[in-house]
Amino acid sequence: DTAVSQTPKYLVTQMGNDKSIKCEQNLGHDTMYWYKQDSKKFLKIMFSYNNKELIINETVPNRFSPKSPDKAHLNLHINSLELGDSAVYFCASSRNRLAGNTQYFGPGTRLTVL
Amino acid sequence: AQKVTQAQTEISVVEKEDVTLDCVYETRDTTYYLFWYKQPPSGELVFLIRRNSFDEQNEISGRYSWNFQKSTSSFNFTITASQVVDSAVYFCALRTGNTGKLIFGQGTTLQVKP
Repeated sequence: DTAVSQTPKYLVTQMGNDKSIKCEQNLGHDTMYWYKQDSKKFLKIMFSYNNKELIINETVPNRFSPKSPDKAHLNLHINSLELGDSAVYFCASSRNRLAGNTQYFGPGTRLTVL
Repeated sequence: AQKVTQAQTEISVVEKEDVTLDCVYETRDTTYYLFWYKQPPSGELVFLIRRNSFDEQNEISGRYSWNFQKSTSSFNFTITASQVVDSAVYFCALRTGNTGKLIFGQGTTLQVKP
Protein backbone atom coordinates (compact mmCIF):
# COMPACT_ATOMS: atom_id res chain seq x y z
CA ASP A 1 0.00 0.00 0.00
CA THR A 2 1.23 3.46 -0.89
CA ALA A 3 1.87 5.48 2.25
CA VAL A 4 1.65 8.98 0.73
CA SER A 5 -0.06 9.26 -2.63
CA GLN A 6 -0.59 12.19 -4.95
CA THR A 7 -2.77 12.69 -8.00
CA PRO A 8 -2.16 13.44 -10.72
CA LYS A 9 1.46 12.46 -11.33
CA TYR A 10 1.70 14.75 -14.33
CA LEU A 11 -0.27 17.90 -15.02
CA VAL A 12 0.08 19.95 -18.20
CA THR A 13 -2.05 23.06 -18.49
CA GLN A 14 -2.28 26.52 -20.01
CA MET A 15 -1.44 29.79 -18.35
CA GLY A 16 -4.37 31.30 -16.54
CA ASN A 17 -6.06 28.00 -15.71
CA ASP A 18 -6.95 26.79 -12.23
CA LYS A 19 -5.80 23.34 -11.14
CA SER A 20 -5.73 21.13 -8.06
CA ILE A 21 -3.35 18.47 -6.80
CA LYS A 22 -4.60 15.93 -4.29
CA CYS A 23 -2.65 14.22 -1.54
CA GLU A 24 -3.62 11.39 0.77
CA GLN A 25 -1.67 9.55 3.46
CA ASN A 26 -2.65 6.26 5.09
CA LEU A 27 -0.02 6.38 7.83
CA GLY A 28 -2.28 7.85 10.48
CA HIS A 29 -0.08 10.94 10.66
CA ASP A 30 -1.27 14.23 12.09
CA THR A 31 0.88 16.58 10.03
CA MET A 32 1.07 17.10 6.27
CA TYR A 33 3.15 19.37 4.04
CA TRP A 34 3.49 20.74 0.54
CA TYR A 35 6.92 21.34 -0.97
CA LYS A 36 7.95 22.80 -4.31
CA GLN A 37 11.00 21.53 -6.20
CA ASP A 38 12.19 23.92 -8.88
CA SER A 39 14.08 23.20 -12.07
CA LYS A 40 17.39 23.31 -10.19
CA LYS A 41 16.12 20.60 -7.82
CA PHE A 42 15.87 23.00 -4.90
CA LEU A 43 13.21 21.92 -2.39
CA LYS A 44 11.30 24.47 -0.36
CA ILE A 45 8.38 24.12 1.98
CA MET A 46 5.17 25.91 1.07
CA PHE A 47 2.58 24.89 3.66
CA SER A 48 2.04 22.61 6.60
CA TYR A 49 -1.14 21.46 8.31
CA ASN A 50 -1.43 19.77 11.66
CA ASN A 51 -4.78 18.08 12.31
CA LYS A 52 -6.41 20.27 9.67
CA GLU A 53 -4.93 23.46 11.12
CA LEU A 54 -2.52 25.57 9.04
CA ILE A 55 0.78 25.88 10.94
CA ILE A 56 3.30 26.87 8.27
CA ASN A 57 2.54 29.30 5.50
CA GLU A 58 5.65 30.37 3.65
CA THR A 59 5.88 33.37 1.38
CA VAL A 60 3.77 31.85 -1.34
CA PRO A 61 1.53 33.80 -3.76
CA ASN A 62 -2.05 33.76 -2.58
CA ARG A 63 -2.95 32.06 -5.84
CA PHE A 64 -1.91 28.92 -3.95
CA SER A 65 -4.45 27.69 -1.45
CA PRO A 66 -4.12 24.49 0.55
CA LYS A 67 -7.18 22.70 1.85
CA SER A 68 -7.29 19.93 4.42
CA PRO A 69 -10.73 18.29 4.62
CA ASP A 70 -9.42 15.80 7.20
CA LYS A 71 -6.03 14.93 8.60
CA ALA A 72 -5.41 12.25 5.98
CA HIS A 73 -5.83 14.64 3.05
CA LEU A 74 -4.12 17.84 2.00
CA ASN A 75 -4.98 19.29 -1.37
CA LEU A 76 -3.32 22.16 -3.19
CA HIS A 77 -5.34 24.46 -5.40
CA ILE A 78 -3.61 26.89 -7.72
CA ASN A 79 -5.47 29.76 -9.40
CA SER A 80 -4.42 31.67 -12.50
CA LEU A 81 -1.44 29.50 -13.25
CA GLU A 82 1.75 31.21 -14.42
CA LEU A 83 4.79 29.90 -16.29
CA GLY A 84 6.86 30.18 -13.10
CA ASP A 85 4.59 27.71 -11.34
CA SER A 86 6.06 24.90 -13.43
CA ALA A 87 7.79 22.62 -10.93
CA VAL A 88 7.46 19.32 -9.13
CA TYR A 89 5.17 19.53 -6.11
CA PHE A 90 5.67 17.06 -3.28
CA CYS A 91 3.28 16.22 -0.51
CA ALA A 92 4.69 14.78 2.73
CA SER A 93 3.46 13.68 6.13
CA SER A 94 4.90 13.08 9.59
CA ARG A 95 3.56 11.57 12.78
CA ASN A 96 3.19 15.02 14.33
CA ARG A 97 4.64 18.51 14.06
CA LEU A 98 7.64 17.90 16.31
CA ALA A 99 11.00 18.40 14.66
CA GLY A 100 12.24 14.89 15.36
CA ASN A 101 9.60 13.20 13.29
CA THR A 102 10.59 12.00 9.86
CA GLN A 103 8.70 13.38 6.91
CA TYR A 104 7.66 10.81 4.31
CA PHE A 105 7.13 12.08 0.80
CA GLY A 106 4.68 11.27 -1.94
CA PRO A 107 5.84 10.52 -5.49
CA GLY A 108 5.50 14.12 -6.64
CA THR A 109 3.34 15.89 -9.22
CA ARG A 110 5.12 17.42 -12.18
CA LEU A 111 3.24 20.56 -13.19
CA THR A 112 3.98 22.10 -16.58
CA VAL A 113 2.40 25.43 -17.42
CA LEU A 114 2.44 26.32 -21.13
CA ALA B 1 19.28 31.61 10.44
CA GLN B 2 19.09 27.97 9.51
CA LYS B 3 21.01 26.81 6.50
CA VAL B 4 22.26 23.63 4.88
CA THR B 5 25.11 23.65 2.39
CA GLN B 6 26.02 20.82 0.09
CA ALA B 7 29.01 22.25 -1.71
CA GLN B 8 29.37 19.38 -4.17
CA THR B 9 26.91 19.94 -6.99
CA GLU B 10 27.85 16.85 -8.96
CA ILE B 11 30.09 13.87 -8.30
CA SER B 12 30.98 11.17 -10.77
CA VAL B 13 32.63 7.91 -9.73
CA VAL B 14 33.23 4.51 -11.20
CA GLU B 15 31.43 1.54 -9.74
CA LYS B 16 33.02 0.06 -6.58
CA GLU B 17 34.66 3.34 -5.63
CA ASP B 18 33.88 4.85 -2.23
CA VAL B 19 32.32 8.30 -2.27
CA THR B 20 31.57 10.87 0.43
CA LEU B 21 28.86 13.48 0.14
CA ASP B 22 29.43 16.54 2.29
CA CYS B 23 26.82 18.40 4.30
CA VAL B 24 27.42 21.45 6.47
CA TYR B 25 24.64 23.02 8.47
CA GLU B 26 24.01 26.23 10.42
CA THR B 27 21.66 26.69 13.33
CA ARG B 28 21.66 28.43 16.69
CA ASP B 29 19.31 25.92 18.22
CA THR B 30 20.78 23.34 20.56
CA THR B 31 18.17 20.75 19.65
CA TYR B 32 17.93 19.89 16.01
CA TYR B 33 17.60 16.98 13.64
CA LEU B 34 19.49 16.13 10.49
CA PHE B 35 18.23 13.99 7.64
CA TRP B 36 19.42 12.52 4.38
CA TYR B 37 17.07 11.78 1.50
CA LYS B 38 17.72 10.10 -1.84
CA GLN B 39 16.00 11.13 -5.07
CA PRO B 40 16.62 8.52 -7.76
CA PRO B 41 15.96 9.27 -11.45
CA SER B 42 12.37 8.09 -10.98
CA GLY B 43 11.82 11.24 -8.92
CA GLU B 44 10.51 10.13 -5.54
CA LEU B 45 12.15 11.24 -2.30
CA VAL B 46 13.35 8.35 -0.16
CA PHE B 47 14.21 8.82 3.51
CA LEU B 48 17.61 7.42 4.45
CA ILE B 49 18.49 8.52 7.96
CA ARG B 50 17.62 10.85 10.83
CA ARG B 51 20.07 11.97 13.49
CA ASN B 52 19.43 14.23 16.51
CA SER B 53 21.87 16.80 17.81
CA PHE B 54 22.57 14.89 21.01
CA ASP B 55 23.68 11.72 19.32
CA GLU B 56 27.07 12.02 17.65
CA GLN B 57 27.56 8.32 17.14
CA ASN B 58 28.33 7.40 13.60
CA GLU B 59 25.89 5.11 11.88
CA ILE B 60 26.39 2.33 9.40
CA SER B 61 23.71 0.66 7.34
CA GLY B 62 25.07 -1.80 4.83
CA ARG B 63 27.20 0.15 2.36
CA TYR B 64 25.99 3.47 3.76
CA SER B 65 27.58 5.29 6.68
CA TRP B 66 27.11 8.69 8.22
CA ASN B 67 29.59 10.83 10.13
CA PHE B 68 28.09 13.50 12.38
CA GLN B 69 30.51 16.04 13.85
CA LYS B 70 29.06 18.91 15.86
CA SER B 71 32.46 20.57 16.13
CA THR B 72 32.47 21.21 12.39
CA SER B 73 28.66 21.30 11.94
CA SER B 74 28.88 18.52 9.42
CA PHE B 75 26.84 15.43 8.67
CA ASN B 76 28.62 13.61 5.87
CA PHE B 77 27.39 10.57 4.02
CA THR B 78 29.67 7.86 2.64
CA ILE B 79 28.76 5.14 0.19
CA THR B 80 31.21 2.26 0.18
CA ALA B 81 31.71 0.20 -2.97
CA SER B 82 29.29 2.34 -4.96
CA GLN B 83 26.89 0.73 -7.42
CA VAL B 84 25.10 2.06 -10.48
CA VAL B 85 21.82 1.96 -8.52
CA ASP B 86 23.27 4.55 -6.15
CA SER B 87 23.05 7.13 -8.93
CA ALA B 88 20.66 9.78 -7.62
CA VAL B 89 20.41 13.23 -6.14
CA TYR B 90 21.10 13.19 -2.42
CA PHE B 91 19.70 15.84 -0.10
CA CYS B 92 20.79 16.73 3.38
CA ALA B 93 18.17 18.52 5.50
CA LEU B 94 17.86 20.24 8.89
CA ARG B 95 14.88 20.67 11.15
CA THR B 96 14.61 22.42 14.50
CA GLY B 97 11.75 22.65 16.91
CA ASN B 98 11.49 26.40 16.70
CA THR B 99 10.48 26.64 13.08
CA GLY B 100 9.26 23.14 12.35
CA LYS B 101 10.44 23.63 8.79
CA LEU B 102 12.61 21.09 7.01
CA ILE B 103 15.43 23.06 5.40
CA PHE B 104 17.06 21.29 2.47
CA GLY B 105 20.52 21.67 1.02
CA GLN B 106 20.93 22.20 -2.69
CA GLY B 107 21.45 18.49 -3.31
CA THR B 108 24.40 16.55 -4.71
CA THR B 109 23.95 14.63 -7.93
CA LEU B 110 25.89 11.38 -7.78
CA GLN B 111 26.59 9.49 -10.97
CA VAL B 112 28.03 6.01 -10.65
CA LYS B 113 29.40 4.70 -13.93
CA PRO B 114 29.74 0.99 -14.65
